[in-house]
Amino acid sequence: GAGVSQSPRYKVAKRGQDVALRCDPISGHVSLFWYQQALGQGPEFLTYFQNEAQLDKSGLPSDRFFAERPEGSVSTLKIQRTQQEDSAVYLCASSSDRDQPQHFGDGTRLSIL
Amino acid sequence: AQSVAQPEDQVNVAEGNPLTVKCTYSVSGNPYLFWYVQYPNRGLQFLLKYITGDNLVKGSYGFEAEFNKSQTSFHLKKPSALVSDSALYFCAVGTRNSGGYQKVTFGTGTKLQVIP
Repeated sequence: GAGVSQSPRYKVAKRGQDVALRCDPISGHVSLFWYQQALGQGPEFLTYFQNEAQLDKSGLPSDRFFAERPEGSVSTLKIQRTQQEDSAVYLCASSSDRDQPQHFGDGTRLSIL
Repeated sequence: AQSVAQPEDQVNVAEGNPLTVKCTYSVSGNPYLFWYVQYPNRGLQFLLKYITGDNLVKGSYGFEAEFNKSQTSFHLKKPSALVSDSALYFCAVGTRNSGGYQKVTFGTGTKLQVIP
């Protein structure tokens, strides 16, 4: 597709379960970002990939959060032993160049019961 | 550390009137500045950016923004508002960090309501 694709769009999980969120960036985009957007807030940076290399993971809230991009295209954000405070919209963005704007997917809305 | 302030949670404007959505920023070094719009249950959509050059930046859908270095502001403007402009608007600031990429910080958003 032409844009950033995220799946699933909605995910409901019970507290303690593991979840995996997928991001398919725009073809050829080197840079990939994950953000967490709480209700009524702006996106908060989680992590950054340049191709397959995770160059910045300073925004990951805890060691329960893990992201990978093994072949430099599709990325997965995994959250282990989910907690209620993990409920948020998780946004993925990609860009072609360091001076270009980020293009966002529609996000995955995660609800932890 | 870098930060963005959007002082208005909501801006109401009549259709056809000019609109302004305010943004101020704080950053070390030269800023990259962005405006994004978000519609319900959608991701952020890029409107315009300032990196260098002319202080007045023109973007998508008739929007523009003016970079003011002395006031550290980057207000979003449009000469004539449309009902379809009603959405959530985010200002963002980025800097080129040591890794060579932009690390972007977003504001908390301003809800624009255009009244028919």
